[in-house]
Amino acid sequence: GEDVEQSLFLSVREGDSSVINCTYTDSSSTYLYWYKQEPGAGLQLLTYIFSNMDMKQDQRLTVLLNKKDKHLSLRIADTQTGDSAIYFCAEMGQAGTALIFGKGTTLSVSS
Amino acid sequence: DTAVSQTPKYLVTQMGNDKSIKCEQNLGHDTMYWYKQDSKKFLKIMFSYNNKELIINETVPNRFSPKSPDKAHLNLHINSLELGDSAVYFCASSQSRPEDTQYFGPGTRLTVL
Repeated sequence: GEDVEQSLFLSVREGDSSVINCTYTDSSSTYLYWYKQEPGAGLQLLTYIFSNMDMKQDQRLTVLLNKKDKHLSLRIADTQTGDSAIYFCAEMGQAGTALIFGKGTTLSVSS
Repeated sequence: DTAVSQTPKYLVTQMGNDKSIKCEQNLGHDTMYWYKQDSKKFLKIMFSYNNKELIINETVPNRFSPKSPDKAHLNLHINSLELGDSAVYFCASSQSRPEDTQYFGPGTRLTVL
């Protein structure tokens, strides 16, 4: 079945780079997403990548996709305390339009 | 300009009660969703509606009934609330194509006592 796995916690110092990793099982997924959830808030789409791409860069964010290994990563350059949040990896489920989420990675940034 | 709004933001109620959560989107999207986030922050799809028609109904108890009076609204009615229903419920909307971004509402935190 469809499954998305992420490590649960990541702790970095301000100014360092953060790398959040994700693996997924559905090789037919055409789009893969990263969402951010700040404490007590809803989900905010950070970025997404189409499955025929290897990399996508958007300001401080870099998404790398290894389709062979079904591995997706999100790199945040120059991590700030405001980046502290839960980051969810998601793939489009086979049902059509529903997102299948990973369990979320809690990023903690210390100054 | 709120894109996807939900009411109420917080809902505290007793076991056995019936309650509804409302969702509205002003983005002109065709598809709306309900997701449940449990106490461990795990997010899972519950329902999906496209043009007022149910297209996804994951394994949720039939105490949960979504209702879509029009394309812009998808309400969630829950009968006979149980302790395990305590969670944050997120509404989302998108256009119909898989590549279309889903926009999420702020969530409704339901606490069943």
